[in-house]
This record gives sequence, C-alpha cells and structure tokens, in this order.
Amino acid sequence: DTGVSQDPRHKITKRGQNVTFRCDPISEHNRLYWYRQTLGQGPEFLTYFQNEAQLEKSRLLSDRFSAERPKGSFSTLEIQRTEQGDSAMYLCASISKSEAFFGQGTRLTVV
Amino acid sequence: AQTVTQSQPEMSVQEAETVTLSCTYDTSENNYYLFWYKQPPSRQMILVIRQEAYKQQNATENRFSVNFQKAAKSFSLKISDSQLGDTAMYFCAFMKHGASSNDYKLSFGAGTTVTVRA
Repeated sequence: DTGVSQDPRHKITKRGQNVTFRCDPISEHNRLYWYRQTLGQGPEFLTYFQNEAQLEKSRLLSDRFSAERPKGSFSTLEIQRTEQGDSAMYLCASISKSEAFFGQGTRLTVV
Repeated sequence: AQTVTQSQPEMSVQEAETVTLSCTYDTSENNYYLFWYKQPPSRQMILVIRQEAYKQQNATENRFSVNFQKAAKSFSLKISDSQLGDTAMYFCAFMKHGASSNDYKLSFGAGTTVTVRA
C-alpha cells in the first residue's frame, strides 16, 4: 500500500463519451503528477501540480484533456470526447523531494 | 529535457542467477536522482532503488545494487540471486533536483521486461 489511491481502477467507455478519473495523493505531499502508460512502454508525463497550481502540461495533453487539483488535495483528470487512442493506463504519482509514490492506476478502454 | 534510454527490451535469467539491466541518460544537470522502478504484472509501480548523483557510493538494497557512472551517464541495475517474484518490467527514471518548482519531474525509460525462469 503506497498511500496513493486512484479511482476507478478500470473504465470502459464508448468513443465520444467523457470520462473523469480521481487521484488521492499522500496527504503531506504537495506535488502530484499524472502519467499515461501504454502497454509495453514507459510512463509518459502528462501534467504536474504543486498544491493547487498546475505548473506544467505536456504537449501530449490535448485540448480534450483537463486536470484540476482543487484546494491542493485530490486531483481529477477529465478526458472529453474520448478516442480509441486514449486507451491506456493513467497513473498518478505523489512526489516528495526525492521519491515518487504511484497509485495502482486507472485502466481506460475506449471502444 | 532529460532523456533516459534502456537498450534492452527483454532479459531472461535463471532463478538464483544474476542479471544486469542497463540504463543511460542525457542531462546537463549536476544535481539529480536516479531510480529503478519495478512494475509487476499487477501494474503498480514500486521503487526498487534510488541513487543521489552527488553520492559516489553505489546504492544497494538487499539483492539489488546499482553501478552509477556519472561521467558516462550510466546507471545499471544488478539483480543478484534472482527470484521468481522478480519477474516484472523494470524502468529506469531520472529526476532533477533543485530549487525550482518545475524540478522533480520524473522521466522514464522505455523499460526492460525481466523474466526469471524456474
């Protein structure tokens, strides 16, 4: 148990639908990251929060993606008008100065 | 931007034997951390070992040890006395260390799949 929880664990959605994922980081960590991982590949950085401020967004994050972290606690990642190419594992990491703790991820399948 | 390269997509090792995974990285930074993460088939990423760039001594965690060559920008992982539970995908990762709020982003290599044979 790493202390980072993600919900849901699995999501199957039809193309064109909107989906939202949630991440609850370790409470004392003010940095939170979202990554996307496709099968057999390493995680790719999507976006980063320090407290409630979104400090960096990857070019991978198209306009259909939005992330929030209200009050610097949990974070949500929303994908609008999902496409089949969005199918992946979405990982959340809670980061202290020198170590990242990952949640179990949300596996998204777009059909 | 930092890049992390793992040149071995797959490695196979007999139980109780030793396997070494390679990792190279490219950075102009002087202060950073390097990590090896393990991702078993259950897919949760677990930290295996961490190395601070300013420390010359190679990190060791039980059966896991690293060979950190800062000048060569090389960071290999040695798994000794391999066990069936070591079967997983292993990722090398880089994290810059500094005062900027944009530091601490973790960049990953493509991974090496390790299979331990009984």
